[in-house]
Amino acid sequence: DAGVTQSPTHLIKTRGQQVTLRCSPKSGHDTVSWYQQALGQGPQFIFQYYEEEERQRGNFPDRFSGHQFPNYSSELNVNALLLGDSALYLCASSPGDRVATQYFGPGTRLTVL
Amino acid sequence: AQTVTQSQPEMSVQEAETVTLSCTYDTSESDYYLFWYKQPPSRQMILVIRQEAYKQQNATENRFSVNFQKAAKSFSLKISDSQLGDAAMYFCAWETSGSRLTFGEGTQLTVNP
Repeated sequence: DAGVTQSPTHLIKTRGQQVTLRCSPKSGHDTVSWYQQALGQGPQFIFQYYEEEERQRGNFPDRFSGHQFPNYSSELNVNALLLGDSALYLCASSPGDRVATQYFGPGTRLTVL
Repeated sequence: AQTVTQSQPEMSVQEAETVTLSCTYDTSESDYYLFWYKQPPSRQMILVIRQEAYKQQNATENRFSVNFQKAAKSFSLKISDSQLGDAAMYFCAWETSGSRLTFGEGTQLTVNP
């Protein structure tokens, strides 16, 4: 049973560029959440997708957008990259019922120069 | 606003000894879940243990157990017979069903041989 997968593992971008990160949820999971983890801090919630709709959103600007596909995989897009967007981006998946445990992927490390 | 506080930025323990990591939270919700996640240097977020707020019995998973005090909004993690592989950053997190995870700032655990 494959767990949550994310791609790419690492990437480097320059200020002003756009980036797309990808996530495939654990088998049987239909809800995908994205988190940003700056170095030395706890993860911060970006948004959550369920049934191809954004169900919840954290305190992040509109530069951060996402999408969920019919197979439940998801993308996180960040436009107009800033130096402060450098972080580990974590994807977590969970079943859409009230069993709330979220399982995390290995993350994508984004560096903005 | 819901908050999670981990007051111990760093802890250390001797191999085979017991250590307790502290966590407090603030919420007005009555139905929620609490988690401890472990993040080793690989930065993969790994679920350690979960506690449902409606359960009075403290959760246990092998060498890991929690002390859940709902009235005090306290949720500590006890690691017994500590092993070198337990060295990691530990995050306490809070969630209502189907909702976002709110993380604390983490406690860095060092295990000394």
